[in-house]
Amino acid sequence: DSGVTQTPKHLITATGQRVTLRCSPRSGDLSVYWYQQSLDQGLQFLIQYYNGEERAKGNILERFSAQQFPDLHSELNLSSLELGDSALYFCASSVDGASGETQYFGPGTRLLVL
Amino acid sequence: AQSVAQPEDQVNVAEGNPLTVKCTYSVSGNPYLFWYVQYPNRGLQFLLKYITGDNLVKGSYGFEAEFNKSQTSFHLKKPSALVSDSALYFCAVRDVMDSNYQLIWGAGTKLIIKP
Repeated sequence: DSGVTQTPKHLITATGQRVTLRCSPRSGDLSVYWYQQSLDQGLQFLIQYYNGEERAKGNILERFSAQQFPDLHSELNLSSLELGDSALYFCASSVDGASGETQYFGPGTRLLVL
Repeated sequence: AQSVAQPEDQVNVAEGNPLTVKCTYSVSGNPYLFWYVQYPNRGLQFLLKYITGDNLVKGSYGFEAEFNKSQTSFHLKKPSALVSDSALYFCAVRDVMDSNYQLIWGAGTKLIIKP
């Protein structure tokens, strides 16, 4: 158990809908990362937050947004969902996001868009 | 630009034999290198990392990796494979001097250990 929690574990929804994925980092970690893992594209970095502020942005679609709250938990919002958004979404956390730090991953949320 | 390559989609090894999962990278400066493992329907678990110092890094579950700067490689190894090592393995790299904190990930290598 990495100490990173994600809810829900599974999510089934329809195209055009909006969902929110939640992540709680390890105790003491200030930095949160979101990743998307699909079968054909491997692990894609979406976005990183550090202590409530956006720090780095990867291949995140405009339909997706995220935030980190004062208690350091983070939410990833996915809207106008498309079939191609079906994937595993992982959250990871680290102490402060410095270069050599280890990221610890949560168990993921499996999203299925029908 | 930073990049990382895992040249083998799948590696098959007999139980008890040594295993190697390959990773090569490209960065402008010096690298931070990581190996993670993903078991079916699970999140990624950290195995080991190279930051600086000894080129041979030892990690969890008996795995080790050797940093080779001249060959820009960071291959994952284990002297004697177990069936339970069967999983998906990811290599990741970050340039030490890069102000973007993003890790660059390899495509993953599926390791199959046969009894």
